[in-house]
Formats: sequence, structure tokens, C-alpha cells
Amino acid sequence: ETGVTQSPTHLIKTRGQQVTLRCSSQSGHNTVSWYQQALGQGPQFIFQYYREEENGRGNFPPRFSGLQFPNYSSELNVNALELDDSALYLCASSAGTGVQQTQYFGPGTRLLVL
Amino acid sequence: AQRVTQPEKLLSVFKGAPVELKCNYSYSGSPELFWYVQYSRQRLQLLLRHISRESIKGFTADLNKGETSFHLKKPFAQEEDSAMYYCALWENQGGKLIFGQGTELSVKP
Repeated sequence: ETGVTQSPTHLIKTRGQQVTLRCSSQSGHNTVSWYQQALGQGPQFIFQYYREEENGRGNFPPRFSGLQFPNYSSELNVNALELDDSALYLCASSAGTGVQQTQYFGPGTRLLVL
Repeated sequence: AQRVTQPEKLLSVFKGAPVELKCNYSYSGSPELFWYVQYSRQRLQLLLRHISRESIKGFTADLNKGETSFHLKKPFAQEEDSAMYYCALWENQGGKLIFGQGTELSVKP
């Protein structure tokens, strides 16, 4: 069984640019959640995708958007990058959206915005 | 507003000593709480969840609704317990986890 994978592992961008981060969910999982983890903070929920539809969204501006594909992999897109977007971006997959479904996390993508 | 607070950024204990990692929450409904752990160079993983009432690696956590707490405890710390620990609250709307800021546990030999 393959775990959650994310690409790239590291990324450096400049202010105003756009970035796309990718996540492959664990086999058998149809739900992907994205989190932003700033340095010294806990992960903060960005949004969740279930069967290719956005299922919930945290307190992030519209320039944070996402997609989920038929194979349940997912992308996180961030437009008009700001310095404060520098963080570790985590995705987590699960076999559903309920509280009983464990979220399995990927290793993260570290984004630095200069 | 729903919130999770972990008051200690760093907790340092000696091997064999008892450990208690504090977690307090604010939630308007019936809370479902979790502890996640991140060992050095590993990914974030679930340690235990309130609804399972299980003990993992000797750790337990009891939900105290009166004190709105979900402290993580272990009677005898081991060096391999050194890690970053995050308390998290489940919010039904949107299926999201609300994490605390984390506590780094350092177990010294």
C-alpha cells in the first residue's frame, strides 16, 4: 500500500508568482485535505476535496484554490503569492469525510516566497 | 470560536518520569479530539483519538468536558517518545481538524 506523496518537496518563488502543489492520496482514499503549517505553528485547514468536489474550506482567501482528479489525487494552487504564504503545505488523505476516518498525512511541500 | 490551546511549547523530562502534555479546547458542540505526533524526519501521524478510548505506546488521554481539556499522559517516558505533539479538534462542518500549536517533548537519558 502506497502512502500519501507530495511534490515537489521544496519550492522557492517570488512575490506575485503562482504555484501549484501536488498530492497523491493513499490507495483506496477518496478524500484529500490541505493544511498550511507556518513555522512554529500547528497545521491550519485550507480546504477539503471529496470525490472531486470541495467539501469544506477554512479561512483562506480565494487565491488559494484546488482541484481533485478522478484518481483522487489533488492540486493546491496559490495565486499572487505573498511573503506570508511561506510555509509547509501538508495534504492528508482519508477514506471518507467522517470523524471516524483517519487522515493520513504526506511529508509536505516547503514553500519559500521571497 | 473553535480553538485548541497547547500552553507549553517545550516540555523536557528525564527518562522514566511521568509526562503530561496539556491540551485545552473551545467548542460549542460535543467535541471529538485527537493527538497527532511527529517524530524527527517523519510525517505527522495519528497517535490516538478520544472516540476509540485506546492506549497507544503507553499514552492515554481523557476528555474532561468540565475543564474542556484533553491532556496526554504517560506514566514513564522513554527517549523514543521525544517528538512534536499536536492536539486536534474535529469540526464536522467541512470535515476539518483544528490543531493546537504543538508541544515539543524532549526526553533526556
